[in-house]
Amino acid sequence: KAGVTQTPRYLIKTRGQQVTLSCSPISGHRSVSWYQQTPGQGLQFLFEYFSETQRNKGNFPGRFSGRQFSNSRSEMNVSTLELGDSALYLCASSPGQGKETQYFGPGTRLLVL
Amino acid sequence: AQTVTQSQPEMSVQEAETVTLSCTYDTSENNYYLFWYKQPPSRQMILVIRQEAYKQQNATENRFSVNFQKAAKSFSLKISDSQLGDTAMYFCALRGSTLGRLYFGRGTQLTVWP
Repeated sequence: KAGVTQTPRYLIKTRGQQVTLSCSPISGHRSVSWYQQTPGQGLQFLFEYFSETQRNKGNFPGRFSGRQFSNSRSEMNVSTLELGDSALYLCASSPGQGKETQYFGPGTRLLVL
Repeated sequence: AQTVTQSQPEMSVQEAETVTLSCTYDTSENNYYLFWYKQPPSRQMILVIRQEAYKQQNATENRFSVNFQKAAKSFSLKISDSQLGDTAMYFCALRGSTLGRLYFGRGTQLTVWP
């Protein structure tokens, strides 16, 4: 099986712009989670989707949003980018209902100038 | 609240030796899952080993094994016969049974030298 894929792998934006990141889970996986990784804050949970519904949300401002499609692919969007949004954004997928192991994609490195 | 603490920011070990990485956690749940992930310089997060809290037997995956002490809320990772490719940041993570999100520690940077 192919692993979790994320596009794009690298992205450079300027303050005030918006960005959309994409994640395709492992085939058959219905749950997708997003994490932000920075040197200062470590790994922080953004949100989790299951069957197109947001099940859980981390403590991020409303500029961060996401969605999941019927084929389980997920996107996250960050509007009005700030310098502090520069980070590695990791997507993870799992089969479904909470107990299973999460498998991570290679991440998208976002740099905000 | 659920928390994961890794008290060793950096460790180093010589090739072929054994090293143990420490992790403590706190959770109010009875059923939960613990994981060790490694993140090499490529930044790809790779699962190393997992442990279900209801299982008393410590998990083992080839050269990797854990010492799970439920009462002490301790979950250490032992790497035997260390290899240069084991050089990476190692994260301890906790996942509850009711919600799927992972809680991560701050990581331990392990360097294996020849």
